Amino acid sequence: SQQGEEDPQALSIQEGENATMNCSYKTSINNLQWYRQNSGRGLVHLILIRSNEREKHSGRLRVTLDTSKKSSSLLITASRAADTASYFCATGGSYIPTFGRGTSLIVHP
Amino acid sequence: NAGVTQTPKFQVLKTGQSMTLQCAQDMNHNSMYWYRQDPGMGLRLIYYSASEGTTDKGEVPNGYNVSRLNKREFSLRLESAAPSQTSVYFCASSMQGAPNTGELFFGEGSRLTVL
Repeated sequence: SQQGEEDPQALSIQEGENATMNCSYKTSINNLQWYRQNSGRGLVHLILIRSNEREKHSGRLRVTLDTSKKSSSLLITASRAADTASYFCATGGSYIPTFGRGTSLIVHP
Repeated sequence: NAGVTQTPKFQVLKTGQSMTLQCAQDMNHNSMYWYRQDPGMGLRLIYYSASEGTTDKGEVPNGYNVSRLNKREFSLRLESAAPSQTSVYFCASSMQGAPNTGELFFGEGSRLTVL
């Protein structure tokens, strides 16, 4: 079974808008990571947030983590067409990273 | 630095044939992983190697074998390919393994079709 599950499965927005996607998980974690996958390519690491952190920023990315709710969110501000990709969360705990099914983001120019 | 290199990028097999997917990393990472990605299923772990000389099963190991040849290389073998193994296979590596696994670096994937 998969540890992390992203929501929504698909998201379609206009360039300039913000995109928010969520990740829920089931068991305790040491960290949570977000990855991006462009069509036909491998996954690329975006950001890692540790279990004792609540919020982290990297450029136009903002990640929050709520361990009491076992959930995380990824916010991409001022989206660009180049942000079109699938986004995955991966939870790292006492086992190896497990991935959800991803959120497919389409940003229309 | 090449990062994580997978070969071949594409392969078509007939049912029952065998093949090996090769993976090499040049980042001196300790841990390496093989995932498969199917539409609507996300990534599922097949096998992983926490360090040189060790391998462990993941979520979907049936029909596969692995070899951690040295610290750089981690191969995945299909002994008798089945149509259900049609998928995109990703190799990944990380400096640390569980319980504090950090950033994973992925290869570009190997697209396998079994007829």
